[in-house]
Amino acid sequence: KAGVTQTPRYLIKTRGQQVTLSCSPISGHRSVSWYQQTPGQGLQFLFEYFSETQRNKGNFPGRFSGRQFSNSRSEMNVSTLELGDSALYLCASSFSGTTEAFFGQGTRLTVV
Amino acid sequence: EDQVTQSPEALRLQEGESSSLNCSYTVSGLRGLFWYRQDPGKGPEFLFTLYSAGEEKEKERLKATLTKKESFLHITAPKPEDSATYLCAVQISGNTPLVFGKGTRLSVIA
Repeated sequence: KAGVTQTPRYLIKTRGQQVTLSCSPISGHRSVSWYQQTPGQGLQFLFEYFSETQRNKGNFPGRFSGRQFSNSRSEMNVSTLELGDSALYLCASSFSGTTEAFFGQGTRLTVV
Repeated sequence: EDQVTQSPEALRLQEGESSSLNCSYTVSGLRGLFWYRQDPGKGPEFLFTLYSAGEEKEKERLKATLTKKESFLHITAPKPEDSATYLCAVQISGNTPLVFGKGTRLSVIA
């Protein structure tokens, strides 16, 4: 059974640019959540999508946005990148959001 | 404010030296508590879910337990390959996001 796939694995962007990250969930999973992980703050929740609708949102600025497609694949976008956006971005999928969540390997974003 | 605290922040063990990691939580209600293992540069790997006080789950050298205010991850006779960061997360009610602790970084020395 294929796991959660995140692409790309690594990204280097310049301050002010925008970036799009992709997440393909486990087949049959309809909930996709995104997290930002930094050494100082740990894992922080960005947002969750279920059946193409944003169901929960964390406390991040509007520069962070996402969407989910009909096949449950999800993308997140960060506009006007700042140095502080450098982090490991993790995607997790679950069947419904109330069951165990399985994580992808993450996308390491470096903003220079 | 709902909070999850893990202790210790870091733990260094000799191979075969058993110990426990702690996850305490202050939430208004608990739907489930989750344990994950994370290796450097990788995503967290799911280990256990616990739903009610008194529940226990085991997997190889790991055993997770739950009380009304905290959870323990017991590691019996650890091996160097058990070295990782162990994360605890709680879910307050259905469809709410997981709230993570900052993790315990475990090093097992041969």
